[in-house]
Amino acid sequence: EIVMTQSPATLSVSPGERATLSCRASQSVNSNLAWYQEKPGQAPRLLMYAASTRATDFPARFSGSGSGREFTLTISSLQSEDFAVYYCQQYNDWPLTFGGGTKVEIK
Amino acid sequence: QVQLVESGGGVVQPGGSLRLSCEASGFSFSNYGMHWVRQAPGKGLEWVAFIRSDGTDNWYAGSVKGRFTISRDDYRNTLYLQMSGLRPEDTAIYYCAKRRGASSLSRFMDVWGSGTTVTVSS
Repeated sequence: EIVMTQSPATLSVSPGERATLSCRASQSVNSNLAWYQEKPGQAPRLLMYAASTRATDFPARFSGSGSGREFTLTISSLQSEDFAVYYCQQYNDWPLTFGGGTKVEIK
Repeated sequence: QVQLVESGGGVVQPGGSLRLSCEASGFSFSNYGMHWVRQAPGKGLEWVAFIRSDGTDNWYAGSVKGRFTISRDDYRNTLYLQMSGLRPEDTAIYYCAKRRGASSLSRFMDVWGSGTTVTVSS
């Protein structure tokens, strides 16, 4: 099973600042990595796939990068609606696995 | 619009059984693989099971293999998760989710339901 590790667990950021979230796989997942955003009381939403392709509903301030084992999600200028928990997920191999999540909170 | 609505959650005793349903609308259900994903209270997401669009191939997380069975009824546009031998650690919100596409590069989930809560407790 591929283990996904996210860091940090919590990221405190002021509105307007940049946030950088990391995700590491225990073995290569190529570019088969997705990111999801989850807000309290809501279902997760697909944010990014193929490591760097933004889903339709999300603005350009969200960007993804990486391949192989190391991945990054960057939010260039945090808006109030971006404070949430973000999960990475590998879909290169079964079983699909998620990282433990990074909570982005208001500083 | 594309919508997934789960039902069937509830409180069940350890060792008991429960069947979850997920009714799909707004897309051609029979053309897409489907997932179940769960989230224990205060915890992260855990992928549970997957069924291919034609129902010929299933995958399970190790934690549920042999106890849970995923199935689908394309006439009813409905996905199911039959859960047996339930344990307290199965307590979670269970989400159904649509697979993005048919290729191995599209195994991720692009649409999620709002979830149904399962509590395993005596």
